[in-house]
Amino acid sequence: EPEVTQTPSHQVTQMGQEVILRCVPISNHLYFYWYRQILGQKVEFLVSFYNNEISEKSEIFDDQFSVERPDGSNFTLKIRSTKLEDSAMYFCASSHTSGTRSNEQFFGPGTRLTVL
Amino acid sequence: DQQVKQNSPSLSVQEGRISILNCDYTNSMFDYFLWYKKYPAEGPTFLISISSIKDKNEDGRFTVFLNKSAKHLSLHIVPSQPGDSAVYFCAASANFGNEKLTFGTGTRLTIIP
Repeated sequence: EPEVTQTPSHQVTQMGQEVILRCVPISNHLYFYWYRQILGQKVEFLVSFYNNEISEKSEIFDDQFSVERPDGSNFTLKIRSTKLEDSAMYFCASSHTSGTRSNEQFFGPGTRLTVL
Repeated sequence: DQQVKQNSPSLSVQEGRISILNCDYTNSMFDYFLWYKKYPAEGPTFLISISSIKDKNEDGRFTVFLNKSAKHLSLHIVPSQPGDSAVYFCAASANFGNEKLTFGTGTRLTIIP
């Protein structure tokens, strides 16, 4: 069964460093998302991406964040200068095309980001 | 801004009995609702969804009920099995799921053998 994959599973970085989190969405999906979950809190939306551009972003997704689909398979989240409060689990998700009456998002296993 | 609320942080149910997890929402624009199951250090796993044009959707042991007038949905698991022990998240979206998901805070379900 196709699944969303994410690398690395755990990333430890120093405050102020740049990190890139990588995702491979399900191959026939066209909508891509990043969410995060700070320990003990709920899953929060960061950004959605469709047709090679951001379709929506939350107030969390400030200028320090960027997303890219550099090739036909990868979808990346970059944090330019990490802060302590960026420590969280980051989940990538993807969903099929629009125009259907149902459109479940399927999630990857997550990357645990620890900022020291 | 709690647009999706799960008021029970935890629930314990005897194996073989019915588990009922509840979720309330406030945003009238939501028209698509999903339940996800999550184990520690893993991503949310999709379980079942329902569109606002329906009031019930069933998939094996899982049934989701939607009461639009009350802005309430529930997930029924019957019979409950030990492998069902996990955190369950309710999520909602507008535009029939083509927009971001707004998650509830989750309910930790424990099935007692």
